[in-house]
This record gives sequence, structure tokens and C-alpha cells, in this order.
Amino acid sequence: GAGVSQSPSNKVTEKGKDVELRCDPISGHTALYWYRQSLGQGLEFLIYFQGNSAPDKSGLPSDRFSAERTGGSVSTLTIQRTQQEDSAVYLCASSLEGVMTYNEQFFGPGTRLTVL
Amino acid sequence: LAKTTQPISMDSYEGQEVNITCSHNNIATNDYITWYQQFPSQGPRFIIQGYKTKVTNEVASLFIPADRKSSTLSLPRVSLSDTAVYYCLVGGSGSARQLTFGSGTQLTVLP
Repeated sequence: GAGVSQSPSNKVTEKGKDVELRCDPISGHTALYWYRQSLGQGLEFLIYFQGNSAPDKSGLPSDRFSAERTGGSVSTLTIQRTQQEDSAVYLCASSLEGVMTYNEQFFGPGTRLTVL
Repeated sequence: LAKTTQPISMDSYEGQEVNITCSHNNIATNDYITWYQQFPSQGPRFIIQGYKTKVTNEVASLFIPADRKSSTLSLPRVSLSDTAVYYCLVGGSGSARQLTFGSGTQLTVLP
């Protein structure tokens, strides 16, 4: 595709359920980022993948959050035992190269997660 | 982490030049300064990036003083469609953890 895509666009779940959010980065981009944006707030860094290196998980808020990137392409963010405070828009971005080369990040449209 | 500080909101009128300043007092030597624009229900979009002095592209200019402790995004002759949130991002020389967007500046362009 021409840009970063995310699915689903909206997800409503009940407290305690697990959810999976998907990100398809731009083809050829080696770096992939996940962010969380709460209503009216800025973007909070969650996790970063660069090539085959170990991911930078320093932004994950708790051990209920995990992410993987298969084959250096598609990424899945998993939230286990969702809580109401997890409600937010989850944004994925990709860049041609990693953070050390100051690359422009291309963002997807986000997944709006609502935990009831 | 290079913390950034921006005004929460700004209003302008169509056709005016808008300048949004970002403070980043503890910017690292190898950090770059990047500005993004975000419309409601969309992901942020890259506007401009610079390291020092002045950078200009087809949509904006970025002014960075010699000490690099601040930067100013300049939008010439804004239109209603420029109403958005503008984020200043400082980082790139270290870990991805630095790539935290602040609350941004809500620019509202009035007719």
C-alpha cells in the first residue's frame, strides 16, 4: 500500500478482555513505532522495532502490553486484561531507517480503543 | 529526555503568518528538531525538520537560533485548513524513548 495501515479502525471491548491491534508499515521501512494518544493529549511512545534488533520496550506502561513484529513487516500490539484507562487511540508509524538517522515517521490513521 | 514546551493554543486569521515557538533547553548535540501536524482523527504528518539556522520547504520555515534551545515554526499566510495541532519533537540521536510528542499547540485559524 501507499501508506501505513492499521486495523481495526475502532475496537470496543469489555474490561478484562484481550485485544490485538495490527499495523502494516510502508513496504521497505525498517523501523516501526507504536504510540498511544489519550483524548486531548500528546503521543506517548510505547515500543520501537528496528530491523532485526531487539525492540525498545521502554515505553510500555505495564506487562499487560506486548508487541511483536513478524518478518520485519507487520506488527501486532496486544493488550491483555484490558482496563478502562487503556481507552485511547493507538497509532503506528514507520520510517525508512531507524532513530539514529533522523528519519521522517509516517503515521497510520490509528485504532480507537474503547474499554467499557 | 529532551523535554519540549509549546503554547497550548494559538488563534490566527486567514492570510496571516503564524509563528509557533518550542522550547527545548536540554537538547543534545546530535538531536534534530522535527515538527508534525495532526488533524482530528488522523495520525500526525511531517512538516519540516532542521538542525540549525533556517530550513524552508513548500509549506513552512523553521528557525533555530545558534544555541538550539528553542525553535520557531513559521506558517506563511495560513488558511482555515491549517487549523490543527502542531507538535515539536526533539530527538533522534539516542533511543526511541526520546520520541515523545508533547501536548502540542492547537492552532485555530479564523475567517
